Amino acid sequence: DVKVTQSSRYLVKRTGEKVFLECVQDMDHENMFWYRQDPGLGLRLIYFSYDVKMKEKGDIPEGYSVSREKKERFSLILESASTNQTSMYLCASSFGAIGRDAFFGQGTRLTVV
Amino acid sequence: GDSVTQMEGPVTLSEEAFLTINCTYTATGYPSLFWYVQYPGEGLQLLLKATKADDKGSNKGFEATYRKETTSFHLEKGSVQVSDSAVYFCALTLKTSYDKVIFGPGTSLSVIP
Repeated sequence: DVKVTQSSRYLVKRTGEKVFLECVQDMDHENMFWYRQDPGLGLRLIYFSYDVKMKEKGDIPEGYSVSREKKERFSLILESASTNQTSMYLCASSFGAIGRDAFFGQGTRLTVV
Repeated sequence: GDSVTQMEGPVTLSEEAFLTINCTYTATGYPSLFWYVQYPGEGLQLLLKATKADDKGSNKGFEATYRKETTSFHLEKGSVQVSDSAVYFCALTLKTSYDKVIFGPGTSLSVIP
């Protein structure tokens, strides 16, 4: 089975801290994605990557950056965490082929205090 | 731009009732369409998909048909169970090599005994 693993289920960080969310997939997928999920807003794409060292902005990239140094790992970075970044963060991966579905991690619930 | 619209929730049904969750989309070209399900405390998982017009996706008693003429992909189940309580997301992927997934806002379903 495909596995997408996010490093933490729950995180509590202070305002202004630099926060790293890690995601690892074990199926050699080309594409990887970071979403945030908020009540009433559904899932919104932050960043995605279609290859090592490649990244593209999604719909809400402000306040975030990403890193993909290895194919299996995609990191989301909050440069200076703020309370409005309190959310559920979901990582996903997929093959680089049309119509292929995405596989999701279990999510990281981040609270910024 | 490309988008997915779902019926407003939450939806509450009695066990064995018929379920319909409406989904319509706006997209350039012919996207692939998906339903994802999120059970409490978990990440998203694929429920079913359809990659071309008139295709029917089905899984676990759920069905949805890709209707190009009405740009719809409504989810149906003949007899829901308590274990179907979850949030359901309609989604599409664009015909690009990146397969960026665009999600609807999600519909929360509660099934009561």
